[in-house]
Amino acid sequence: GQNIDQPTEMTATEGAIVQINCTYQTSGFNGLFWYQQHAGEAPTFLSYNVLDGLEEKGRFSSFLSRSKGYSYLLLKELQMKDSASYLCAVAQSGYALNFGKGTSLLVTP
Amino acid sequence: DTGVSQNPRHKITKRGQNVTFRCDPISEHNRLYWYRQTLGQGPEFLTYFQNEAQLEKSRLLSDRFSAERPKGSFSTLEIQRTEQGDSAMYLCASSLFGGLAEILTWDEQFFGPGTRLTVL
Repeated sequence: GQNIDQPTEMTATEGAIVQINCTYQTSGFNGLFWYQQHAGEAPTFLSYNVLDGLEEKGRFSSFLSRSKGYSYLLLKELQMKDSASYLCAVAQSGYALNFGKGTSLLVTP
Repeated sequence: DTGVSQNPRHKITKRGQNVTFRCDPISEHNRLYWYRQTLGQGPEFLTYFQNEAQLEKSRLLSDRFSAERPKGSFSTLEIQRTEQGDSAMYLCASSLFGGLAEILTWDEQFFGPGTRLTVL
């Protein structure tokens, strides 16, 4: 079975740092993805981890621990436009993505 | 290339009718995925193709749903005898899969804008 958990909602202040956690229990693993989705729009790719450790990409970083079934997305220097839903997804053996329900992030002034 | 396109963007239908959606992937992308997303949920995998071959279907996919990708380019998703529970956003994604070291190949999926289906 597949189980991907992430917080439903988070609020943070413009300019701050926020960490969005994701835990997973899946029958197959070909990597973990983070996607951003603004309301009414399609998801857009943010990051990919298949090996343990931290991947940094500008203001966004993503961490993976396969032994713990845990990942987080770190957003630095938050901007108002970062208000969106952040989706954690695990790629199974066939690379189909199993998504969590998403974390709705609200950035306030 | 303008990305993944989907048509129509919105579809309203009556319960019991059949509907068909089309997805045009990014050219030369060999993989094409269909997902369904309802409000407040993440996308749910339905099925995917590599070229024209349908490689995987979700166990949750009712037999009222069928997908094709006859020439390995565009794909269609048909829902027969629609039900109110089919109301959702239907997302298509494409990717270019394959590499010298498959274990390190990552399959970045590019999503289309979706088709929003409302079943009355």
